Formats: sequence, structure tokens, C-alpha cells
Amino acid sequence: KQEVTQIPAALSVPEGENLVLNCSFTDSAIYNLQWFRQDPGKGLTSLLLIQSSQREQTSGRLNASLDKSSGRSTLYIAASQPGDSATYLCAVSPLYGNNRLAFGKGNQVVVIP
Amino acid sequence: DGGITQSPKYLFRKEGQNVTLSCEQNLNHDAMYWYRQDPGQGLRLIYYSQIVNDFQKGDIAEGYSVSREKKESFPLTVTSAQKNPTAFYLCASSMGGGSEAFFGQGTRLTVV
Repeated sequence: KQEVTQIPAALSVPEGENLVLNCSFTDSAIYNLQWFRQDPGKGLTSLLLIQSSQREQTSGRLNASLDKSSGRSTLYIAASQPGDSATYLCAVSPLYGNNRLAFGKGNQVVVIP
Repeated sequence: DGGITQSPKYLFRKEGQNVTLSCEQNLNHDAMYWYRQDPGQGLRLIYYSQIVNDFQKGDIAEGYSVSREKKESFPLTVTSAQKNPTAFYLCASSMGGGSEAFFGQGTRLTVV
């Protein structure tokens, strides 16, 4: 069974610093990996999706990398802003079988002005 | 304006009642999912459907039921058999085949 881990569960950074969030998974047979943002009491917003054949994906200040063989992905947020405060979740899609995503528990981020 | 709509946003249930959470999508997605989110836990899959008139149990299906009569709709019923239903419920959809998943804004269910 795929296990997805995100450590630490919570972190705080001063405004302007770069954010680095890590996601690890136990089974490298993945189809893709997706990063989401969740604000309190809200649904999940898709940030980036990386196909298993890709090494990284970028959108604005966000960059996500994928090292499938070692079971790791990193989300970088450049020049963090207070508006980046949220919970960030990663999820992996299996290569075989059904389309069930396996989620990590998330990194709760606070950007301090 | 394409997306996934969950209703209601807040729902209160009395002990012994069944309640139904609505999920509608206009993205023309084949696959739809229901997740439950509790504080300190990750998202847990309740049910999913990859095509109309077909659905499968997820990891925590006991006490829940679903139907998929239309491509656009995937309602979730929380039955009286679910002993601890207070949680945040999220509906998602995708084209299937590992494609990008999109989520609704969630329904917070509270037992009173």
C-alpha cells in the first residue's frame, strides 16, 4: 500500500524567505504526483501536477521537483508572502490499477509578516 | 463557469438520521470521488466512481452509500450506521486514468 509522508506537519517562515516543502512516498510505481493548497475550511486547490516522466514543473513562484526512483518530491515557493499561509498536500496516483490518489497529511505553513 | 459544486456548505444531523451530501460537476469528468477529512488525519477515500452506474468502496465505506446515475452527479448519503459522522467531506473529479483531480469546496457535517 502506498504511504505518503509530509514532514514537518507545521512550519513558520518570515516573509520573503523561500519555502521548501517535502513529500516522500514508498512505492515508486506512480503515474503522477500532484500538489494541492488548502485554506482553512475550504476545498483543495490544485497547484502543480508532475507526470512520472517529468523532473519538475513550474508555475509562477512555485516549482515542484520529482525524483521518482528515490520516492521524493519537493515544492519550492519563492519569496514567500503572508498569502501563502495555508496547508499544502501532496498526492500520488498509482501507475497500475484504479485511479485512487494517496494523500499525505499536509504541511501547515504560516508566513510571518 | 466550470467546476465542482458541493452543497450544502454546512449540515447538521440528528442522531439516527440519514443525510445526503450533494456533489455536481460540469467538467465532463468520468471519475468522481468522496473523501473524508478529520483534524490531524489525511484525506481518506470513502467511495469512488470511474463511470456512470458503477462505483467502488474506498477505505472507509462503512456507514456510507452513493449512487452514480448521471455523469454530473455523485451524491453521498451518510446513514445512521455511521457512528462518527462529524467531519469535513470533500468531493473530487477527474478525467480518470491518473489525470489531474479537482475538488469542491467541501461540506462540514456536524452531529447534534
